[in-house]
Amino acid sequence: QKEVEQNSGPLSVPEGAIASLNCTYSDRGSQSFFWYRQYSGKSPELIMFIYSNGDKEDGRFTAQLNKASQYVSLLIRDSQPSDSATYLCAVGNSGYALNFGKGTSLLVTP
Amino acid sequence: DAGVIQSPRHEVTEMGQEVTLRCKPISGHNSLFWYRQTMMRGLELLIYFNNNVPIDDSGMPEDRFSAKMPNASFSTLKIQPSEPRDSAVYFCASSLTGGYSYGYTFGSGTRLTVV
Repeated sequence: QKEVEQNSGPLSVPEGAIASLNCTYSDRGSQSFFWYRQYSGKSPELIMFIYSNGDKEDGRFTAQLNKASQYVSLLIRDSQPSDSATYLCAVGNSGYALNFGKGTSLLVTP
Repeated sequence: DAGVIQSPRHEVTEMGQEVTLRCKPISGHNSLFWYRQTMMRGLELLIYFNNNVPIDDSGMPEDRFSAKMPNASFSTLKIQPSEPRDSAVYFCASSLTGGYSYGYTFGSGTRLTVV
């Protein structure tokens, strides 16, 4: 069974702080890694993807990947109340559908 | 593009009734996925089509569930007979190249309630 694990939260951070969301995965053959944001009652929306070890930055978001440790994270700088949502980590491998974690709930307090 | 279109948005049905969920993928996408989301189990893959052919249906709970993709622009997920434990949000998603390269685009989902 290929597992993708996330802390369910809620993770509470004050407005303007850095939110750090973490994900671990069990399949060493995994090739691609995604972060989706899901607002309550809405569908998941892709916000970041990363393939190689290291950091990838896009605006206030940074994805970090460490394949040796089977660990991927998402940093959100200058967190805003509008960032309050559930963040889903997904892991991909050629020929297979993405495998999703259960998500981490983030609450950014004004 | 209008994105992935699902219908209906909400469905309330009685136990034992047949339920059909519909999905229109993004034009040009060759992979289509049906997922089910509950609080307890998160997003679970039900079935994955590539070029209209089912590739992985190992997530389909039992024979009560069936899915078809008769052409590149339409897919259905059918539950017959429905049971209260089928209550969940059902998402359809589509992608290029199986989704492992660029991820998926999700539809708005169908919230199914079986009473």
